[in-house]
Amino acid sequence: SAVISQKPSRDICQRGTSLTIQCQVDSQVTMMFWYRQQPGQSLTLIATANQGSEATYESGFVIDKFPISRPNLTFSTLTVSNMSPEDSSIYLCSVEGPVTNYGYTFGSGTRLTVV
Amino acid sequence: AQTVTQSQPEMSVQEAETVTLSCTYDTSENNYYLFWYKQPPSRQMILVIRQEAYKQQNATENRFSVNFQKAAKSFSLKISDSQLGDTAMYFCAFGLSGAGSYQLTFGKGTKLSVIP
Repeated sequence: SAVISQKPSRDICQRGTSLTIQCQVDSQVTMMFWYRQQPGQSLTLIATANQGSEATYESGFVIDKFPISRPNLTFSTLTVSNMSPEDSSIYLCSVEGPVTNYGYTFGSGTRLTVV
Repeated sequence: AQTVTQSQPEMSVQEAETVTLSCTYDTSENNYYLFWYKQPPSRQMILVIRQEAYKQQNATENRFSVNFQKAAKSFSLKISDSQLGDTAMYFCAFGLSGAGSYQLTFGKGTKLSVIP
């Protein structure tokens, strides 16, 4: 199955700044996703990262706030822009494809605290 | 739209005993997958078990098994011989199968504590 490296594992950031989270997979995957998990809550899909084209965002999430890149089939980034304390969450990368046997494999997550 | 409901926010079980976590879902689709994920304090989401909706046979993975009732839209997880390492949040998730339908919808989770 695919092995995902997600960086950074945690960060504390000042409000108004931006943080870019990286997701690197050891195999080519069909689909890459970004989820947000607010404290004590379940996972909510932010967007689907599309290779070579603009990401597909879910309701309530916009590109200006969460720009996403996916330059190839093994790498994606999520940027949390102009951060506020409400952005304090765990952000998780997830992948799916033949190498995951069509299961969904998750990265270890990035714990973001905005102060 | 699909919804996933986990009605047990917290549960506890004695070590070596058996526990069942409940999950119901709502969908008008016929082809889909159901998943149980475990999230320990390390926050890593770990796939426990997966069930394809077209399969009548319930999935099993070692000490973990499911009771999939398609007509009732129920998908419970049974953990046998509970171990301390099973202490975690457990999330039930739904995913459509077929092109263009890849996102997962998660329930709110059940916090399971295994008591020594």
